[in-house]
Amino acid sequence: ELKVEQNPLFLSMQEGKNYTIYCNYSTTSDRLYWYRQDPGKSLESLFVLLSNGAVKQEGRLMASLDTKARLSTLHITAAVHDLSATYFCAVEETSGSRLTFGEGTQLTVNP
Amino acid sequence: DVKVTQSSRYLVKRTGEKVFLECVQDMDHENMFWYRQDPGLGLRLIYFSYDVKMKEKGDIPEGYSVSREKKERFSLILESASTNQTSMYLCASSLSSGTYFGAGTRLSVL
Repeated sequence: ELKVEQNPLFLSMQEGKNYTIYCNYSTTSDRLYWYRQDPGKSLESLFVLLSNGAVKQEGRLMASLDTKARLSTLHITAAVHDLSATYFCAVEETSGSRLTFGEGTQLTVNP
Repeated sequence: DVKVTQSSRYLVKRTGEKVFLECVQDMDHENMFWYRQDPGLGLRLIYFSYDVKMKEKGDIPEGYSVSREKKERFSLILESASTNQTSMYLCASSLSSGTYFGAGTRLSVL
């Protein structure tokens, strides 16, 4: 059974600081996703990572994938308040199949 | 642009009512999913479908059924709504390009 673990689950940081969220998964997978969720809203796709060593960047967020270590990271650079949200990683075992989600990381960026 | 549309953002129903949640995608995706999200329990898969008229149980199918008569539409049915089905329901569709979510339906069962 595929398990996905995120840490930390709660993260409070100051504006301008850097931090990393970690996502570990237990079996080989086809794809790894990072989603953002604002309170009361649905999931917004941030990144899709397909292969070992993949790195994607969008603004202050950068995601990477190490399939050998079964680890993905979401790095936040110079955080701003607008990044406050819950971030989920999700793993897809085979292309087009169901997603298994991590518990989510609730990020609060304080001015 | 990818689009997954859920018919209602908010629904309030009474215990015992039959409830239909509708989801439509315009991407010609074969795979569609229904998840529910609850505080402290995360996102859990209810049912999924890999083709028209095909359905598979997810992790928590009890109390739910689904219908997929057309490729673009995947309906979640609560046969007799109960208060423990109060939740946020998320529909998703996927293909090789990725998995995309609808806006969600927040259902309250009173």
